[in-house]
Amino acid sequence: GQQLNQSPQSMFIQEGEDVSMNCTSSSIFNTWLWYKQDPGEGPVLLIALYKAGELTSNGRLTAQFGITRKDSFLNISASIPSDVGIYFCAGRGRTGGGADGLTFGKGTHLIIQP
Amino acid sequence: GAGVSQSPSNKVTEKGKDVELRCDPISGHTALYWYRQRLGQGLEFLIYFQGNSAPDKSGLPSDRFSAERTGESVSTLTIQRTQQEDSAVYLCASSPHMGEADVLTFGAGSRLTVL
Repeated sequence: GQQLNQSPQSMFIQEGEDVSMNCTSSSIFNTWLWYKQDPGEGPVLLIALYKAGELTSNGRLTAQFGITRKDSFLNISASIPSDVGIYFCAGRGRTGGGADGLTFGKGTHLIIQP
Repeated sequence: GAGVSQSPSNKVTEKGKDVELRCDPISGHTALYWYRQRLGQGLEFLIYFQGNSAPDKSGLPSDRFSAERTGESVSTLTIQRTQQEDSAVYLCASSPHMGEADVLTFGAGSRLTVL
C-alpha cells in the first residue's frame, strides 16, 4: 500500500514558538488532510487540501499541498498550550483502494513547555 | 446524529472473552471506517464499509476480528477470544463518500483493555 512518512515524530517547543511538520510520500496524492487528536478524543479535521500548490489557512494554522503532489506541510504560528496533541496527516490517492485510498501518517506529538 | 457516537467508551475484559464495540455514524454518511490506535501510535486501518457494497476487510489483523453494518446505519466491531495485544483505542469514522474530496469525521473511540 501507499506509505506516508510524517516528521518529526515529536516536538518539544516553548509557548509562542512557530511549529512546522510535514508528510512525504513516494506516491502521488489527490487530497491531503490534516487532523489533530487531543488526549482521549478522536482526531478532528483541521485543514483539507485538494489542489497541488494550494495554500490554506485556518486561524494560526497554515497547510500546503506540495506542487509535486507527494508532500504536504502544516505550520502553526505562535503556539499556545491548547495546541498540544497529536497531529496526523492523511493522503488519498486513487479512491476505491484499501480504506478507499486513504493513508494516515504515524503522527507528530506536539508538546509545549510554558 | 450530530456526530459519530461510539460505545462503550471504555471496556475492560479478561483474556479470551469476546467483545463488541458499537459505532453510530453521522446520519446520511454512507461510508464507515474502523481504525485501531495502540498507545502513542498512529491509526491502523481495519475495515471500510460503503453503502451496500462488500466491505473492504483488508486491514483486519486476524480472523478473530469481524465487523458488520446494516445498510447505512450502526456498525459493530467484534473481537473474539481477546488477547492482551488487542488492547487499544478503536476509532470509528464516517463520511458522506464524496470521492477524492471526502473527509472523515471520527468518534471519540472505545478504549479496550484486555487483562
